[in-house]
Amino acid sequence: GQQVMQIPQYQHVQEGEDFTTYCNSSTTLSNIQWYKQRPGGHPVFLIQLVKSGEVKKQKRLTFQFGEAKKNSSLHITATQTTDVGTYFCAGGDSGGYQKVTFGTGTKLQVIP
Amino acid sequence: DAGVTQSPTHLIKTRGQQVTLRCSPKSGHDTVSWYQQALGQGPQFIFQYYEEEERQRGNFPDRFSGHQFPNYSSELNVNALLLGDSALYLCASSLLAHEQYFGPGTRLTVT
Repeated sequence: GQQVMQIPQYQHVQEGEDFTTYCNSSTTLSNIQWYKQRPGGHPVFLIQLVKSGEVKKQKRLTFQFGEAKKNSSLHITATQTTDVGTYFCAGGDSGGYQKVTFGTGTKLQVIP
Repeated sequence: DAGVTQSPTHLIKTRGQQVTLRCSPKSGHDTVSWYQQALGQGPQFIFQYYEEEERQRGNFPDRFSGHQFPNYSSELNVNALLLGDSALYLCASSLLAHEQYFGPGTRLTVT
């Protein structure tokens, strides 16, 4: 079955430093979604990428979808303490009814 | 506009018992997906309902079953509970294949 891996598993950064998490799928995806989950909370949708090579920005967050539609990345510029949480990518398969497989997640800790 | 709601928020059950979890989707959404999230792990897809039918299923045994009602709300049933079923159960609603909105989850503890 489809597997979606993320690296790193954990990341500690000093406030103001940049942060990147990488997502790799074992199969070609129809789209990739990114979610953020705060400690004790539930996943919150951040963005969806659909096109090969697509790049989208949300303020300090930059999302990329690979040319082969099998990998993606999320980059945060100048992290803030409010960025703390676990970031998940979730790959939508190419089937008629989209099944979403979540990645293993990257837990970000920001040191003030 | 209410978001996704789930009930109950917490539940404690004994091994072998049965449990029913409930979800009301965000207004306007027609698709409901259920996920199991063990501590420290990512959500694992259980199944998805659309037009009252299960149209996708993850790698979960038949002990996990569900239902979607005409008003798009949904239930997740788990029979013969095992200790390993202890987890956060998340419901997510969406409109077709668009972004999913998650509810706060139900924390199930099996003792």
